[in-house]
Amino acid sequence: GENVEQHPSTLSVQEGDSAVIKCTYSDSASNYFPWYKQELGKGPQLIIDIRSNVGEKKDQRIAVTLNKTAKHFSLHITETQPEDSAVYFCAASPSWDDKIIFGKGTRLHILP
Amino acid sequence: EPEVTQTPSHQVTQMGQEVILRCVPISNHLYFYWYRQILGQKVEFLVSFYNNEISEKSEIFDDQFSVERPDGSNFTLKIRSTKLEDSAMYFCASRGQGYEQYFGPGTRLTVT
Repeated sequence: GENVEQHPSTLSVQEGDSAVIKCTYSDSASNYFPWYKQELGKGPQLIIDIRSNVGEKKDQRIAVTLNKTAKHFSLHITETQPEDSAVYFCAASPSWDDKIIFGKGTRLHILP
Repeated sequence: EPEVTQTPSHQVTQMGQEVILRCVPISNHLYFYWYRQILGQKVEFLVSFYNNEISEKSEIFDDQFSVERPDGSNFTLKIRSTKLEDSAMYFCASRGQGYEQYFGPGTRLTVT
């Protein structure tokens, strides 16, 4: 089955700098890659997603890139702000199924 | 903005007792899911449900687990005889016709 690896597990960046989180997946049939943000005590919140027929997608300060050949995808957050501090999960969903397979998460700290 | 709701937010139960976790998915969604997250670990898929039947279940979802959509709005997860290792955060999610899954705030289950 699908396996999603995510790194780093923890990331600290100065406020205003950029943050990059990287993930790899194993199942070449996966075609949907969502990113979730989880704040303390809350459920995962979908922040951006990308389909396999697209290489890059941007929404304000957040962008995702996908390299299908290498089976990896990344989340880029620019001009980081204190409210970006949270745990971020990458995930993948196989084309033949709709369950979401999550990575282990990255705890992002924005330093003042 | 429509959202998934879950009750209770925290459930404490004794080992061997039955628990029912409740979810109200987004009203026009047709696909429903349960996931769980053991403290500090990744979010894991349990079961998907569509058209009043289970679409897929993971290895975690054994005979002690069951799901039901008893009416047009609620979606429940029942654990018949809880074990210590069932202690986790349980998330309900729903989706419409698109790929996006929206998660509820979760129910923290503590088995003592």
